[in-house]
Amino acid sequence: GAGVSQSPSNKVTEKGKDVELRCDPISGHTALYWYRQSLGQGLEFLIYFQGNSAPDKSGLPSDRFSAERTGGSVSTLTIQRTQQEDSAVYLCASSSQFAGGRQETQYFGPGTRLLVL
Amino acid sequence: KQEVTQIPAALSVPEGENLVLNCSFTDSAIYNLQWFRQDPGKGLTSLLLIQSSQREQTSGRLNASLDKSSGRSTLYIAASQPGDSATYLCAVGAWGNNRLAFGKGNQVVVIP
Repeated sequence: GAGVSQSPSNKVTEKGKDVELRCDPISGHTALYWYRQSLGQGLEFLIYFQGNSAPDKSGLPSDRFSAERTGGSVSTLTIQRTQQEDSAVYLCASSSQFAGGRQETQYFGPGTRLLVL
Repeated sequence: KQEVTQIPAALSVPEGENLVLNCSFTDSAIYNLQWFRQDPGKGLTSLLLIQSSQREQTSGRLNASLDKSSGRSTLYIAASQPGDSATYLCAVGAWGNNRLAFGKGNQVVVIP
């Protein structure tokens, strides 16, 4: 596709429910990143994929958070037993990793706004 | 852990003035540095990327400089326009996987 797409754009859920957030990266981009932007906080890194592997999961805040990537393309971020502090905008980005120069620019999707009641 | 600071947090300038936005980071061992723009309720738009070996990048009215040894980057926007009103984010890429560490942004309002 022309850009990174994410779905849903908005999600309202009740505390304790599980949610799945989806990211479709730019075609051909091998690197995929998930970030979170909480109200009043900066953007924080969650997880990095190179292909289908996740060599860096250090930003996931708890074991309730998990992510996978299949076919070197689509990624899903799953939050189990959601808590109110999980409310945030979840952003996905992709890039041509280690291609050099401007090609390593990370292109961001529009985000999924998650509200946990 | 890389810490990125942006000052000022918010500023307003009259249309036509030049904008100067500052970014500092604590660990100079960076892979690259990116400047982004974020409009309210929207995602991030990449403006400029500076490799760690470069000193500056230019695109149109935008110029970004990088002084890696002192841990600083500056984004200059010449002849500001009301359409430049947005939040500008500085992000530092780490060696190995290019994960980005972000500042909290400079919120800019250009007054017509």
